[in-house]
Amino acid sequence: DGGITQSPKYLFRKEGQNVTLSCEQNLNHDAMYWYRQDPGQGLRLIYYSQIVNDFQKGDIAEGYSVSREKKESFPLTVTSAQKNPTAFYLCASSIMGGAGAETQYFGPGTRLLVL
Amino acid sequence: SQQGEEDPQALSIQEGENATMNCSYKTSINNLQWYRQNSGRGLVHLILIRSNEREKHSGRLRVTLDTSKKSSSLLITASRAADTASYFCATVHTGANSKLTFGKGITLSVRP
Repeated sequence: DGGITQSPKYLFRKEGQNVTLSCEQNLNHDAMYWYRQDPGQGLRLIYYSQIVNDFQKGDIAEGYSVSREKKESFPLTVTSAQKNPTAFYLCASSIMGGAGAETQYFGPGTRLLVL
Repeated sequence: SQQGEEDPQALSIQEGENATMNCSYKTSINNLQWYRQNSGRGLVHLILIRSNEREKHSGRLRVTLDTSKKSSSLLITASRAADTASYFCATVHTGANSKLTFGKGITLSVRP
């Protein structure tokens, strides 16, 4: 079954704690993305990666960190520096170049809540 | 901000009616896409229209693009209760290296 998986579905963070959200894809896509969605809002780009071992900041990268050690995986860490982390986090992937490169495929999302 | 703006913010129609949703944007684009999101789920790609195209169809979906007005519309014909969802337009702006910029979305409710 091809697709993007995110875990966990729900995540609770305590004050001062770093938490890591998992994103895995078996679509053989080169590019991966992390978005944050707040209620009644569109998606805002946190980080993206177009190739293994390389990533770029999106529009709201402060308080977040990522790594891209494997093509299939793009974990997002929400650090204690992110003061308002409560949101729905979505991971996506796409191919790079050629027909269909612009279309992004999304995972089911992780809802992060602060205790 | 390059964010697109959808209109209306919410739309409620009867099953069988057509639903028209609009999106406007501010700077030149390579393409515009429409995505659908069911409550609490990820987004699903519906259709992509390139800057040199004016209209595209996919099943019950019809998308138009007017680059002179920097606007697009999504028409869902013969709506069904299962079409109830949020719909987002997303743009790839010229020089933006395939990054998508999303609008705030339109909530569509289709009453059975």
